[in-house]
Amino acid sequence: DSGVTQTPKHLITATGQRVTLRCSPRSGDLSVYWYQQSLDQGLQFLIQYYNGEERAKGNILERFSAQQFPDLHSELNLSSLELGDSALYFCASSRSYRGYQDTQYFGPGTRLTVL
Amino acid sequence: GNSVTQMEGPVTLSEEAFLTINCTYTATGYPSLFWYVQYPGEGLQLLLKATKADDKGSNKGFEATYRKETTSFHLEKGSVQVSDSAVYFCALSGNTGNQFYFGTGTSLTVIP
Repeated sequence: DSGVTQTPKHLITATGQRVTLRCSPRSGDLSVYWYQQSLDQGLQFLIQYYNGEERAKGNILERFSAQQFPDLHSELNLSSLELGDSALYFCASSRSYRGYQDTQYFGPGTRLTVL
Repeated sequence: GNSVTQMEGPVTLSEEAFLTINCTYTATGYPSLFWYVQYPGEGLQLLLKATKADDKGSNKGFEATYRKETTSFHLEKGSVQVSDSAVYFCALSGNTGNQFYFGTGTSLTVIP
């Protein structure tokens, strides 16, 4: 158990809909990272937040947005969903903003299925 | 740009065999390099890392050396166990910040 929690575990929805994925980092960690893992794209870094502010951006679509709240939990919002958005979404956390030096601890993931 | 190329799987080995999973990278500047492991049904776990050239990362019998001259970070283990069966990801972090780039993953199955 990494200490990172993600809800829900599974999510099934229809094209065009909007969903929110939630992540709670390990106690004491200030950075949260979001990743997408799909069969055709592999594992892709989406975005990082540190202490409430966006810190780094990867291959995140404009239809996707994220935020980190004062209690440090984070939410990833996916809108106008397409079939291709079906994937496993991971959240990770680390102590500081230096993800390249700190160890990132991954949550168990949320499996999104878009029908 | 930054990218990671990882050897295709799946790889099947007998217990106690020697393991090598190749990883090469393309990056500007001086990236940090990582190996992550994903056990079935779980998230990724950091296995080892190296932050500068010639550094050797090691953990649980696994080793990888950051080779700038060959832009490689191959993962090795001298004697694999059934419990090492998992998917292994090579990754790099660009020196401009916290963007991470992952390889496609290599599935390893170790048979008794």
